[in-house]
Amino acid sequence: EAGVAQSPRYKIIEKRQSVAFWCNPISGHATLYWYQQILGQGPKLLIQFQNNGVVDDSQLPKDRFSAERLKGVDSTLKIQPAKLEDSAVYLCASSKWQRDLPTEAFFGQGTRLTVV
Amino acid sequence: DQQVKQNSPSLSVQEGRISILNCDYTNSMFDYFLWYKKYPAEGPTFLISISSIKDKNEDGRFTVFLNKSAKHLSLHIVPSQPGDSAVYFCAASADSGAGSYQLTFGKGTKLSVIP
Repeated sequence: EAGVAQSPRYKIIEKRQSVAFWCNPISGHATLYWYQQILGQGPKLLIQFQNNGVVDDSQLPKDRFSAERLKGVDSTLKIQPAKLEDSAVYLCASSKWQRDLPTEAFFGQGTRLTVV
Repeated sequence: DQQVKQNSPSLSVQEGRISILNCDYTNSMFDYFLWYKKYPAEGPTFLISISSIKDKNEDGRFTVFLNKSAKHLSLHIVPSQPGDSAVYFCAASADSGAGSYQLTFGKGTKLSVIP
């Protein structure tokens, strides 16, 4: 079974530029998450999709961050414009959806973003 | 406000001995708990989980204990091996709506197993 695929692995941009990350979840996984992991911290949820609908985006800085999941499969996360504090690893994860049952999430390798 | 806390940033253990990693949580709505292991430059990988209706779950060398009254869980690794050296994240799950679950992570504990 193929895992969660993310690209690019690394990205360096200047502040105020824009950047986009791509994620392809495990086949058949209805739930997709984007997490931000700042150095020395645990992953923090930015947005959660159930198929192509948003379940929770309460921690997404909507003035600069946006995400979409077209057709309930692949997803993109965009930052425009980037700030220095956006430097982090952006992790995509997916999980099966079983109603009223928690299941473990499977993570991709992440995209390390450096804003200079 | 951190809902999942791992108060030890690092832990060193001799090979063959027991490693005990601790985690505390504050949200009583959490009903499922997971441990993830992370190597450098990789994403976290699922290790073991426990439902709030249980107090212990075992998988090989890994055992997770849950004390609901104390809002505390721990991961025991016996015997510890050098390959266990990694950052371990505690995560807790709660229903985020529509039967879908959301994970909240602690900051992680870096385990070093010394040969």
